[in-house]
Amino acid sequence: KAGVTQTPRYLIKTRGQQVTLSCSPISGHRSVSWYQQTPGQGLQFLFEYFSETQRNKGNFPGRFSGRQFSNSRSEMNVSTLELGDSALYLCASSGDPRSSSFFGQGTRLTVV
Amino acid sequence: ELKVEQNPLFLSMQEGKNYTIYCNYSTTSDRLYWYRQDPGKSLESLFVLLSNGAVKQEGRLMASLDTKARLSTLHITAAVHDLSATYFCAVDMTDNDMRFGAGTRLTVKP
Repeated sequence: KAGVTQTPRYLIKTRGQQVTLSCSPISGHRSVSWYQQTPGQGLQFLFEYFSETQRNKGNFPGRFSGRQFSNSRSEMNVSTLELGDSALYLCASSGDPRSSSFFGQGTRLTVV
Repeated sequence: ELKVEQNPLFLSMQEGKNYTIYCNYSTTSDRLYWYRQDPGKSLESLFVLLSNGAVKQEGRLMASLDTKARLSTLHITAAVHDLSATYFCAVDMTDNDMRFGAGTRLTVKP
């Protein structure tokens, strides 16, 4: 069974640009969550999608957005990039609500 | 605002010793998770604890949950070098909205 796949793995962008990250969940999983990991703030919840609907959103500015497609694949977008957006962005998928989420390898975004 | 506090944040152990990592959280939840992260890697699920008094064991690691005290523990028995990693606890707010502790960086020395 294939795991959670995130693309790209590494990305370098310039301040002010926008970026789109992709996440393909485990087959059959309908819930996809996104997290930002930085040395200073740790792991922070961005948002969660289930069946193309955003159910929860963390405390991030509106520059951070996401969506989920009918095949459960999800994308997150960050507009007007700031240096502080440099982080590892992790996607997690979940099937059974009583089991844990499975994380992808992450996309490491560097904003210069 | 939910707070999830882990301690210690850094732990250096000798091989063969036992130790416990603590995870306190500030709001009611009946779902708590433990994850492991190796340097430069993603998070690997270790345990899911779903009810008060739940205890799970895998190899040298054992996790427990006390929902009344809002406390979970991760106990390490007879540590070995391969257990060196960062361990996170996470509390499920609702619908896969997990709030993570700061992590405990464990180093096991020979």
